[in-house]
Amino acid sequence: GIQVEQSPPDLILQEGANSTLRCNFSDSVNNLQWFHQNPWGQLINLFYIPSGTKQNGRLSATTVATERYSLLYISSSQTTDSGVYFCAVGDSSNTGKLIFGQGTTLQVKP
Amino acid sequence: EPEVTQTPSHQVTQMGQEVILRCVPISNHLYFYWYRQILGQKVEFLVSFYNNEISEKSEIFDDQFSVERPDGSNFTLKIRSTKLEDSAMYFCASSDQAKGTIYFGEGSWLTVV
Repeated sequence: GIQVEQSPPDLILQEGANSTLRCNFSDSVNNLQWFHQNPWGQLINLFYIPSGTKQNGRLSATTVATERYSLLYISSSQTTDSGVYFCAVGDSSNTGKLIFGQGTTLQVKP
Repeated sequence: EPEVTQTPSHQVTQMGQEVILRCVPISNHLYFYWYRQILGQKVEFLVSFYNNEISEKSEIFDDQFSVERPDGSNFTLKIRSTKLEDSAMYFCASSDQAKGTIYFGEGSWLTVV
């Protein structure tokens, strides 16, 4: 099955700094989503982005499907951005199943 | 914004007991899923459900697990005889198409003692 690798595994930032999180996947995908898991365990949808670029406030994401990677950019980070960021991809099975990466744990210090 | 709702938010059960986790997917969605996340680990797919039948299941989803859509709004996950290793956060999710955005509920935290 598809392998999903995220980097870095851990990231510590000062408030106000920018960061880039990466997601590599091993095969073509028909779905790619970025999630933020907050300290209460909730999985918050950030982007549905199987290809192209999207922006939402301080967050933006780019997926280059032909090269099998996606990037999540966080600008002017805030302490509330802390948590785990997951990339999840859907394969060609058409059942909607998502395969998650191991996540990037982000800590933003005041 | 419509959301996926799950109950209970937290359940503690004795090993060997049956557990039912309940979910109300977003109303116009057709695809339903259960995932689990053991503490500190990644989220793992359990099962997908479409048109009143399982469309795909993982190797985790063995005979101890079952899913049901008993009426037009609920989607349940039953664990027949819980084991210690079933302790995890269980997420229900839904989508309106196989390739669209999948929305997750807030999770049900199951502790087996």
